[in-house]
Amino acid sequence: DTEVTQTPKHLVMGMTNKKSLKCEQHMGHRAMYWYKQKAKKPPELMFVYSYEKLSINESVPSRFSPECPNSSLLNLHLHALQPEDSALYLCASSQGAGRYNEQFFGPGTRLTVL
Amino acid sequence: QKEVEQDPGPLSVPEGAIVSLNCTYSNSAFQYFMWYRQYSRKGPELLMYTYSSGNKEDGRFTAQVDKSSKYISLFIRDSQPSDSATYLCAMRSIQGAQKLVFGQGTRLTINP
Repeated sequence: DTEVTQTPKHLVMGMTNKKSLKCEQHMGHRAMYWYKQKAKKPPELMFVYSYEKLSINESVPSRFSPECPNSSLLNLHLHALQPEDSALYLCASSQGAGRYNEQFFGPGTRLTVL
Repeated sequence: QKEVEQDPGPLSVPEGAIVSLNCTYSNSAFQYFMWYRQYSRKGPELLMYTYSSGNKEDGRFTAQVDKSSKYISLFIRDSQPSDSATYLCAMRSIQGAQKLVFGQGTRLTINP
């Protein structure tokens, strides 16, 4: 199984809502990532979890809260978002660090904040 | 100056043409190089991954790395309409193993 899955595919939320994005992989990868991608721009790294510990936080606002319940799952909790947070949110995973560290991306969750 | 420069295009070519996509970079610490293909409203798909200078071939795709010139290329032979997508180059260093640096992406259209 060489797939990263993400749910939901689409999400529309108001600025006062609380919602969560979910990501799952069963490749035995030990690093998982959240990216944000705006239209016609490359993905921007938000968070990295390595061996279930947060290893990189790219100064993301606290209204985004990541969680890694186990090595296969990664969540992104959303609260009090702004319309400018509307974007494609991508999850990725990789084996770990080192030479064989290709990142494999999921299909993304398209988020619209009203 | 951006660490990775990639012409955003758009690039439009006829079916069957050879396509050349390029990125230049300024950070000599980059050692690992990737090409991703992204269809509209989908996640990026890893196409090629290489960590040495020279060519790497996979079917109709060839990745070329020239570390001395800090230049990487992706060639697509016998291009098909299904190759129409945005192509992103990405690279990383050994120290920044988990942090990919992406180019801006080149939007490619193959016309039947």
